[in-house]
Amino acid sequence: ILNVEQSPQSLHVQEGDSTNFTCSFPSSNFYALHWYRWETAKSPEALFVMTLNGDEKKKGRISATLNTKEGYSYLYIKGSQPEDSATYLCASPRLWGGNKLTFGTGTQLKVEL
Amino acid sequence: GAVVSQHPSWVICKSGTSVKIECRSLDFQATTMFWYRQFPKQSLMLMATSNEGSKATYEQGVEKDKFLINHASLTLSTLTVTSAHPEDSSFYICSAGKYGASGSGAKNIQYFGAGTRLSVL
Repeated sequence: ILNVEQSPQSLHVQEGDSTNFTCSFPSSNFYALHWYRWETAKSPEALFVMTLNGDEKKKGRISATLNTKEGYSYLYIKGSQPEDSATYLCASPRLWGGNKLTFGTGTQLKVEL
Repeated sequence: GAVVSQHPSWVICKSGTSVKIECRSLDFQATTMFWYRQFPKQSLMLMATSNEGSKATYEQGVEKDKFLINHASLTLSTLTVTSAHPEDSSFYICSAGKYGASGSGAKNIQYFGAGTRLSVL
């Protein structure tokens, strides 16, 4: 099973700040990297699925980059808003595991007014 | 689209009783459903994978007689925690993969329910 790690564990920023956090994963036999956003008391929802080295994906003020050679992905949030407060999870499919995902512990973001 | 409903959202039960948790895909057919467990400050840990009409595949260390999974249709999977004990208290969450989604399984998005908080007294 892959070891997927995320940092920091938690983050407090002010409204309007830009922020970023990291997901690291073993770089060998890479298939894909998933990012999910999980608001309290709601369902985790998919943000991005990234597959290509150097890929950059964007959804509104949120973007993500991928480096499969060194085994990391960054998630960026530009101009954080209180509604961005959530836990951001990354996950990577297992080697020979098909569609089974190994999740990191998440980065809990709180955006304060 | 792609909504997964999970019920109940929380349950308190006495030690020794069984608890059933339902996971339904409301607007799509789910090829595969996944059941995860999460302990405080830990990641989502996959317990089992279920495919409609076949037996669930359990992860190493997960007791299949303790955590019964039934996936009777393409829109419903249930997890029954049998003879629950306080150590089974945890957060359980399901997800589903869409039937017919393009691409390899590794790239397919999982659609999650909102989870069930189980407390066993």
